Amino acid sequence: NAGVTQTPKFRVLKTGQSMTLLCAQDMNHEYMYWYRQDPGMGLRLIHYSVGEGTTAKGEVPDGYNVSRLKKQNFLLGLESAAPSQTSVYFCASTRGDTGELFFGEGSRLTVL
Amino acid sequence: AQSVAQPEDQVNVAEGNPLTVKCTYSVSGNPYLFWYVQYPNRGLQFLLKYITGDNLVKGSYGFEAEFNKSQTSFHLKKPSALVSDSALYFCAVRDMTGGFKTIFGAGTRLFVKA
Repeated sequence: NAGVTQTPKFRVLKTGQSMTLLCAQDMNHEYMYWYRQDPGMGLRLIHYSVGEGTTAKGEVPDGYNVSRLKKQNFLLGLESAAPSQTSVYFCASTRGDTGELFFGEGSRLTVL
Repeated sequence: AQSVAQPEDQVNVAEGNPLTVKCTYSVSGNPYLFWYVQYPNRGLQFLLKYITGDNLVKGSYGFEAEFNKSQTSFHLKKPSALVSDSALYFCAVRDMTGGFKTIFGAGTRLFVKA
């Protein structure tokens, strides 16, 4: 019963490098989300998807791109990492409307 | 726009005492409210939600929350705190206008002392 799985769990990048975070869910959920968590700021929505092949911007989308080529996967990309993107990133999914979110365990990214 | 406020950064309570973690919200339309808990180095876990119906909602681990429409509040409560309840708690509201986005408060850290 995997739920939501994020890879990698930890990553250290140098400024300007690129990387991709992978989120996979096995619950057949339509809706998937990428959040970042920073101390004292709660969770802020980066991008989200309402179904396969669709993506949309959240509160803090700048510097990130996403893709949802398969229903079960939601990828978050950083094209040119900056120290301000040092954070813990969480993927979540839901069936929609009033359903609760299911979260991955998080990916801790440090940009030097 | 939907928003959630958690006015306390931290709540301290002694084990066995009742606890309350406060949350107020601002929404257009009917509110769909949630509480999540986060233990160290873990993802968030769902505790309970208010969609409609009874103002007192019961959830996991003995937690409950009281929905108050006139005060636009959704406070999390537990009659008797445990040391193991120490964690970070998030109140959240569902935006039903598109994408079913969930908007989170800043979080409240609960410390339960033995």
